[in-house]
Amino acid sequence: DIQMTQSPSSLSASVGDRVTITCRASQGIRNDLGWYQQKPGKAPKRLIYAASSLQSGVPSRFSGSGSGTEFTLTISSLQPEDFATYYCLQHNSYPLTFGQGTKVEIK
Amino acid sequence: QVQLVQSGAEVKKPGASVKVSCKASGYTFTDYYIHWVRQAPGQGLEWIGWINPNSGGTKYAQKFQGRVTMTRDTSISTAYMELSRLRSDDTAVYYCARVPGSGETDYWGQGTLVTVSS
Repeated sequence: DIQMTQSPSSLSASVGDRVTITCRASQGIRNDLGWYQQKPGKAPKRLIYAASSLQSGVPSRFSGSGSGTEFTLTISSLQPEDFATYYCLQHNSYPLTFGQGTKVEIK
Repeated sequence: QVQLVQSGAEVKKPGASVKVSCKASGYTFTDYYIHWVRQAPGQGLEWIGWINPNSGGTKYAQKFQGRVTMTRDTSISTAYMELSRLRSDDTAVYYCARVPGSGETDYWGQGTLVTVSS
């Protein structure tokens, strides 16, 4: 199975901060990666697909980059509604695997 | 509008089976795979498998092979996920999801809490 190592597991940040979350794959997955946001008690929602493409309707402050084994989700200016848990998901090979999640909390 | 509506919460004893349904509306049911994902309390997301509603073909994570069965009824646009030989660590919220590989919007069910307890 491909292991997705996500870091950090949590972070505290203020409104307006730039936030970066990283996922590392245990083997190359091309750009077969998505980023998801999950708020408490709600289903996840995809923000980024194909590693760097912004899902329609998602604010442009979210961006993704990377290919192969290293991937990054960046929030350029954190907004109050962005406090949530973020997951990466690889779909290069089975089983599909998620990162452990990064909880973004208010400082 | 696209909706995936799941069945209600379940409480089961260890060793029993549970069958969760996911009713799709607002699109052609057979056009998109349905994935199942679960989340134990306070934990991360775990992929269980998918079903192709058009063919009935399935792909399961090895971890669940032999215990999970995904089916569908195209006449009522509903997908099902049955998990057998339940254990306490199967306690989780189970989600169905339509997650296209392309940039089309993903849609998720509201989640079904399955509690396994003696």
